[in-house]
Amino acid sequence: DSGVTQTPKHLITATGQRVTLRCSPRSGDLSVYWYQQSLDQGLQFLIHYYNGEERAKGNILERFSAQQFPDLHSELNLSSLELGDSALYFCASSDSGGDETQYFGPGTRLLVL
Amino acid sequence: EDKVVQSPLSLVVHEGDTVTLNCSYEVTNFRSLLWYKQEKKAPTFLFMLTSSGIEKKSGRLSSILDKKELSSILNITATQTGDSAIYLCAVVNTGNQFYFGTGTSLTVIP
Repeated sequence: DSGVTQTPKHLITATGQRVTLRCSPRSGDLSVYWYQQSLDQGLQFLIHYYNGEERAKGNILERFSAQQFPDLHSELNLSSLELGDSALYFCASSDSGGDETQYFGPGTRLLVL
Repeated sequence: EDKVVQSPLSLVVHEGDTVTLNCSYEVTNFRSLLWYKQEKKAPTFLFMLTSSGIEKKSGRLSSILDKKELSSILNITATQTGDSAIYLCAVVNTGNQFYFGTGTSLTVIP
């Protein structure tokens, strides 16, 4: 158990809908990273927050947004969902703003029908 | 376009064999290279490499970076069935963006 929690574990929704994925980092970790893992594209970096501020953006679609709250938990919002958004979404945390050891959560499996 | 390429895509070996996994990259403003192991769940961190020629070691696993060749290798000696997993390589740039390879799937048969 990495100490990073993600909810929900599974999510099934329809195209066009909006969902929110939640991540609680390890106690004391200030950084939260979001990743998308699909069969055809592998693991893709989406976005990084450090202590409430956006630090880096990767291949995050405009339909997706994220934020990190004062208590350091983070939410990833996915809207106007498409079939291709079906994937495993991981959150990871680290104690700094750099690229040191990241601890991954168990992931949220999203299925868009 | 920044990219990370891993080879081979998959590998099947017998217990006790030694394997070498490769990662090559074309990423501007390189900062570090990371290796992860992913079994049927989330990736777990193995190594972070920033300097050429310095080997990082953890038990039977070791890794080294060659910044001239823009590549890294991950070695696993005396493989065990518990080493079966997908091994991911990621490169981080100075803008703190991560680029992942598609992974090498390793299967170790008894």
